[in-house]
Amino acid sequence: KAGVTQTPRYLIKTRGQQVTLSCSPISGHRSVSWYQQTPGQGLQFLFEYFSETQRNKGNFPGRFSGRQFSNSRSEMNVSTLELGDSALYLCASSGGTVNEQFFGPGTRLTVL
Amino acid sequence: AQSVTQLGSHVSVSEGALVLLRCNYSSSVPPYLFWYVQYPNQGLQLLLKYTSAATLVKGINGFEAEFKKSETSFHLTKPSAHMSDAAEYFCAVSDKGGATNKLIFGTGTLLAVQP
Repeated sequence: KAGVTQTPRYLIKTRGQQVTLSCSPISGHRSVSWYQQTPGQGLQFLFEYFSETQRNKGNFPGRFSGRQFSNSRSEMNVSTLELGDSALYLCASSGGTVNEQFFGPGTRLTVL
Repeated sequence: AQSVTQLGSHVSVSEGALVLLRCNYSSSVPPYLFWYVQYPNQGLQLLLKYTSAATLVKGINGFEAEFKKSETSFHLTKPSAHMSDAAEYFCAVSDKGGATNKLIFGTGTLLAVQP
């Protein structure tokens, strides 16, 4: 089985722009979660989607949004980028009952 | 609210020595517990998980962890460190039986292995 894939792997944007990141889960997995990883804040939960519905949301401003498609692929969008949004964005998919999540390689976003 | 505390942001061991990475959790409901490893410029890889089937959990690459409810701990150990074990390790907790897969992570422990 192919693992979780994320595109693009690297992005450079400037302040005020918006960005869309994509995640393809493991085949058959219906849950997709997103995490932000920074040196200062560590790994923080952004949101989770299950069967196209947002099931849980972390403590991030409304500039961070996401969606999930009928094939379980997910996108997250960040609008009006700020310098502090520079981070590694990780996507994880889950298909089991024990909350085990499989992570993709991440998208490294740099905001200049 | 759930939380995870990892004691020691940096741990250094000699090759062949015991690896012990500490994790304490706080949860108001029975938890699922996980250890993940992250190599530079990569995502997270699951090392092992506790789901209440057994308190001593064996994972990949020779790692194991023991769930101790009385101490609210889930420390990660490996009898003999290899150079390839150098990486960052994260402990995580999740609600057992909850309606979400949300993971709460600790701040991570960077393991250095000296030759």
